[in-house]
Amino acid sequence: QSVLTQPPSVSGAPGQRVTISCTGSSSNIGAGYDVHWYQQLPGTAPKLLIYGNSNRPSGVPDRFSGSKSGTSASLAITGLQAEDEADYYCQSYDSSLSGPLYVFGTGTKVTVL
Amino acid sequence: QLQLQESGPGLVKPSETLSLTCTVSGGSISSSSYYWGWIRQPPGKGLEWIGSIYYSGSTYYNPSLKSRVTISVDTSKNQFSLKLSSVTAADTAVYYCARVAAVRIQFDYWGQGTLVTVSS
Repeated sequence: QSVLTQPPSVSGAPGQRVTISCTGSSSNIGAGYDVHWYQQLPGTAPKLLIYGNSNRPSGVPDRFSGSKSGTSASLAITGLQAEDEADYYCQSYDSSLSGPLYVFGTGTKVTVL
Repeated sequence: QLQLQESGPGLVKPSETLSLTCTVSGGSISSSSYYWGWIRQPPGKGLEWIGSIYYSGSTYYNPSLKSRVTISVDTSKNQFSLKLSSVTAADTAVYYCARVAAVRIQFDYWGQGTLVTVSS
């Protein structure tokens, strides 16, 4: 039921830069609602990584950055490290006709080569 | 430091009702700046928002689950709860409770999650 589309997987060598896209529509990202990003390490709960499109909570390294444009958003990881290997999810708010709802992306697995 | 902890049965029979409670510690559930939500993740799959509640009792549910979901809050115990009726194997998932920042609507604190299996 995900209305936000992400690539299933991305990979990169240590030190490289990878980006993850999150594509929505005019009822969510395109309507101006914020996009947030979560990192889920294996076997653990998701952790807030980026909020309000581009803001990092305290303790999140500045290697992680977010941006938003139109109906899409992106998460960039620069200087990729082994501990960044995880699943990443975007999230926004959708004002659909069936009622407001919080929507997550389909998820992207980041592999460090 | 805010902490959330899910509790409830790990095994539920088909057609019965799944019941979970989230206990919040290190902060008040009655804060006007936050909602409280439930999210689930089937094994090997992505995240799905189930519903959210404000301390006043106002609720918001995922339309796809609305007919089966009830979320309630007990401010005296600093807890909120989830009930999902008429469960099937498709409801087998890790269930997370989380705090939702009211202004920008991000889930900023999560519980560790609890696996609920629907099986006879």
